[in-house]
Amino acid sequence: EVQLLESGGGLVQPGGSLRLSCAASGFSFVTSPMSWVRQAPGKRLEWVSSLSAGDSPYYADSAKGRFSISRDNSKSTLYLQMNSLRADDTAVYYCTQGGYRGYFESWGQGTLVTVSS
Amino acid sequence: SYVLTQPPSVSVAPGQTATITCGGKNIGIKSVHWYQQKAGQAPVLVVYSDSDRPSGIPERFSGSNSGNTATLTISRVEAGDEADYYCQVWDNSSEHIVFGGGTKLTVL
Repeated sequence: EVQLLESGGGLVQPGGSLRLSCAASGFSFVTSPMSWVRQAPGKRLEWVSSLSAGDSPYYADSAKGRFSISRDNSKSTLYLQMNSLRADDTAVYYCTQGGYRGYFESWGQGTLVTVSS
Repeated sequence: SYVLTQPPSVSVAPGQTATITCGGKNIGIKSVHWYQQKAGQAPVLVVYSDSDRPSGIPERFSGSNSGNTATLTISRVEAGDEADYYCQVWDNSSEHIVFGGGTKLTVL
């Protein structure tokens, strides 16, 4: 059974930083593209970033230059380093399996990030 | 950037057929994926690559894609199908993933 467990969300002030983690199990993490998708309260799903199986990163325009996606295959863990956070980054952030050039076949339960003073 | 347009809401009586559209320029040449998101829950993939179903998804869920419109069809709608539905594509030109605005399905 695929499991994706996000952590690292919380309350942060505007301009601050946060690192999200996603512990993965139940599939071949090393060969899987992985992604982050977010959803602001009451809003649509929004793609944030993807990492291909070959570790090439892709970013939404809203994330480029501020966010960095990475993975540790030895720990089967995906990360999202978020810097220069803004109020409009407030959202539930979902870790997903897949996404690069395709679909998101599995989703975590999400972690809430709130950017507020 | 590529835009996907969905109707904000669709209503259908139990047992009837729900049709949810996703419009985009020449979307027929892209691979379209659909997600179901029930209130307070994470999204679930219900159709991928236009018309394929993941294991565990009922046959009542089907998809098609042609021209400028992709369609998710839910046959014999049940109360448990009430949810938000999102379409999604990979845009080759921008190397971005794009979601539609979502459609709220209400079962009357």
